[in-house]
Amino acid sequence: DSGVTQTPKHLITATGQRVTLRCSPRSGDLSVYWYQQSLDQGLQFLIQYYNGEERAKGNILERFSAQQFPDLHSELNLSSLELGDSALYFCASSVLDDHYNEQFFGPGTRLTVL
Amino acid sequence: GENVEQHPSTLSVQEGDSAVIKCTYSDSASNYFPWYKQELGKGPQLIIDIRSNVGEKKDQRIAVTLNKTAKHFSLHITETQPEDSAVYFCAASIPGGSYIPTFGRGTSLIVHP
Repeated sequence: DSGVTQTPKHLITATGQRVTLRCSPRSGDLSVYWYQQSLDQGLQFLIQYYNGEERAKGNILERFSAQQFPDLHSELNLSSLELGDSALYFCASSVLDDHYNEQFFGPGTRLTVL
Repeated sequence: GENVEQHPSTLSVQEGDSAVIKCTYSDSASNYFPWYKQELGKGPQLIIDIRSNVGEKKDQRIAVTLNKTAKHFSLHITETQPEDSAVYFCAASIPGGSYIPTFGRGTSLIVHP
């Protein structure tokens, strides 16, 4: 158990809908990262927050947004969902925003868009 | 940006054999190379990492080697066991900026008892 929690574990929804994925980092970790994992694209970095502020952006679509709250939990919002958004979404956390910091991954949320 | 290639995509070995997974990276500025293991239904977990100032690092049955000149690094698992069966990801990270690692596509390792 990494100490990172994600809810829900599974999510099934329809095209055009909006969903929110939630992540609670390990106690004391200030940095949160979101990744998308699909069969054909591997593990793709979406966005990083550090102590409430956006720190880095990866291949995140404009239909997706995220935020980190004062209690350091984070939410990833996915809107106008398409079939291709079906994937595993992982949250990871680390203590600081540092080059050699180990990232601890949560168990993921499996999103299925029908 | 950085590009990481990982081979093979699938590796099947007998219990007790060694397994080797290879990765190449494109940006010579990368200087941190973590390896993650992902078991079925779980998130990736760091198993070993290496920094560019060393050529090899070992941790029990696992070792990682780095060749900066050739821009490739490898994961070596000796005396494989069925519980080593998982997907393994290599990654490379460039100092400065956001420090976000670029991941390889993963290798599915199957260890047959």
